[in-house]
Amino acid sequence: GAVVSQHPSRVICKSGTSVKIECRSLDFQATTMFWYRQFPKQSLMLMATSNEGSKATYEQGVEKDKFLINHASLTLSTLTVTSAHPEDSSFYICSARNKRGGSYEQYFGPGTRLTVT
Amino acid sequence: SQQGEEDPQALSIQEGENATMNCSYKTSINNLQWYRQNSGRGLVHLILIRSNEREKHSGRLRVTLDTSKKSSSLLITASRAADTASYFCATVLQGGSEKLVFGKGTKLTVNP
Repeated sequence: GAVVSQHPSRVICKSGTSVKIECRSLDFQATTMFWYRQFPKQSLMLMATSNEGSKATYEQGVEKDKFLINHASLTLSTLTVTSAHPEDSSFYICSARNKRGGSYEQYFGPGTRLTVT
Repeated sequence: SQQGEEDPQALSIQEGENATMNCSYKTSINNLQWYRQNSGRGLVHLILIRSNEREKHSGRLRVTLDTSKKSSSLLITASRAADTASYFCATVLQGGSEKLVFGKGTKLTVNP
């Protein structure tokens, strides 16, 4: 149980276009979803936290107008990278948590590799 | 800066040997978690240790937590080539935050 999927796993887009990444919890209800960014050989940096039905909370330095997050249901959150630039190329990972269970454990998706050309 | 700092940054050992990775953090925590990441993949949760616990075991994994030193260690016993991965510690801070703050990670290579 506790499987989180991401789609797509890899995406290449041109500068100026927008890309949407989906994060789904397959077998549990995710009251909270998190979006992380990871540069090569570096750690995960939290970008934003989203609770179902409410606006996402962004970390300092993350542009909310550039990284649009929607958590419309208990099983789906989306991250849209708008007007992508080459410096947005990175590995984006989501995680999901069922707060109602009282557990702090987050279940991570497999990640999406974004390359902006 | 990041809450957790792993040590060493990279570790290379032979199969069968034990691997020890350390993590230090700066502020009071609710719990500390260890994750594993294979290259280019998502993270797999390994073990969670609460701030009032000192040691925890799971299979070949042993985690210790010293809140007075603000440090934790992950021991993998009898390592296997399949254990090759990056290992991250992550902390949940006290105060009701649900955010995970990750350290920089240790890249472990287990040579067959």
